[in-house]
Amino acid sequence: DQQVKQNSPSLSVQEGRISILNCDYTNSMFDYFLWYKKYPAEGPTFLISISSIKDKNEDGRFTVFLNKSAKHLSLHIVPSQPGDSAVYFCAASDTDKLIFGTGTRLQVFP
Amino acid sequence: NAGVTQTPKFRILKIGQSMTLQCAQDMNHNYMYWYRQDPGMGLKLIYYSVGAGITDKGEVPNGYNVSRSTTEDFPLRLELAAPSQTSVYFCASTPRGGGFTDTQYFGPGTRLTVL
Repeated sequence: DQQVKQNSPSLSVQEGRISILNCDYTNSMFDYFLWYKKYPAEGPTFLISISSIKDKNEDGRFTVFLNKSAKHLSLHIVPSQPGDSAVYFCAASDTDKLIFGTGTRLQVFP
Repeated sequence: NAGVTQTPKFRILKIGQSMTLQCAQDMNHNYMYWYRQDPGMGLKLIYYSVGAGITDKGEVPNGYNVSRSTTEDFPLRLELAAPSQTSVYFCASTPRGGGFTDTQYFGPGTRLTVL
């Protein structure tokens, strides 16, 4: 049973526009969430995180929103750039480990 | 610091062969992890370790074994390779783990094909 879900396998956005990547989770005990970015032939790299005591965390062009009642988080990238083209994974903290979603492939075109 | 290193980068195995995927980190992290990534399936945790001498199963441990004799190294052993183990394998580490304000740092991956 998938505890962290990313229902959109892919997203295509024009350069300069906003990219919104979504993630849903099923376990209300999760209290920390992270987004990772992955380029082809490389390992994932940490992008941004949020604690369940917050509903928003911002870092430059990247903002993560958390809606605990809906068990939903989203990653906003504004403005989107071609270098943002990658696979994005959301993850939830579960004691000593992370549970990852299946990823969303973002393509930013000129 | 080299961070998390993995060897080899690529490997082709025949069914029934065995091999060890190497992972090392030079950040003195206590927690280390092995994941596999299948197309469209995200990252699945195989095994993890919270310190030298301690290992635990993740979501998909069958067909694999691990050991953690030092803080730096966390090798993953495949015995009797099967086509279902064709995947990209990632090793990761983090300073603490529990409570999880620490992010995981990933190696570049090992692409394994079993024919």
